[in-house]
Amino acid sequence: DGGITQSPKYLFRKEGQNVTLSCEQNLNHDAMYWYRQDPGQGLRLIYYSQIVNDFQKGDIAEGYSVSREKKESFPLTVTSAQKNPTAFYLCASSALLNTEAFFGQGTRLTVV
Amino acid sequence: SQQGEEDPQALSIQEGENATMNCSYKTSINNLQWYRQNSGRGLVHLILIRSNEREKHSGRLRVTLDTSKKSSSLLITASRAADTASYFCATYNYAGGTSYGKLTFGQGTILTVHP
Repeated sequence: DGGITQSPKYLFRKEGQNVTLSCEQNLNHDAMYWYRQDPGQGLRLIYYSQIVNDFQKGDIAEGYSVSREKKESFPLTVTSAQKNPTAFYLCASSALLNTEAFFGQGTRLTVV
Repeated sequence: SQQGEEDPQALSIQEGENATMNCSYKTSINNLQWYRQNSGRGLVHLILIRSNEREKHSGRLRVTLDTSKKSSSLLITASRAADTASYFCATYNYAGGTSYGKLTFGQGTILTVHP
């Protein structure tokens, strides 16, 4: 059953901690993305990757880091440098950067 | 930066009516896509229209693109209560060469269809 999986669904973080959000896809897609969505807002691009071992900063990359060691995986680390990390995080993949994107179900991160 | 801006921000209609949502963008694009999001879920791709296309249909969906006005519209005909969701436009911009294009989303339109 092909798709894109994000885990966990809910995540709680204490201030000052780094946390890593998982994103895995078995669609054989080259491109992967991370977006942040705040309540009632649109999606803002954090990082994206066109191929393995390469990624680009999006519009709001500060306080975040990613890696793309495998085609199937694109984990996002929310570091302590991100001052307002509470948000809904969405991962997506597409065959190429200019084709339709498939989204995971999201991870809701809350800082406590 | 948000490339697309949807209008209206919220739309409330009765079942059976048509719903029209508009999207304006700022820079040239390679394609424009529309997505749907049910509350608290991931986005689902609806339709993609390329910059050299003017209109595209998919079931009850009709999308138009006017590159001279940098705008697009999504029409949902004969709406149903199940169409209640947020709808987003997204633009793909690619400058060419060694740069990478990216997919940028607008703020979205919240559509409510009353039974």
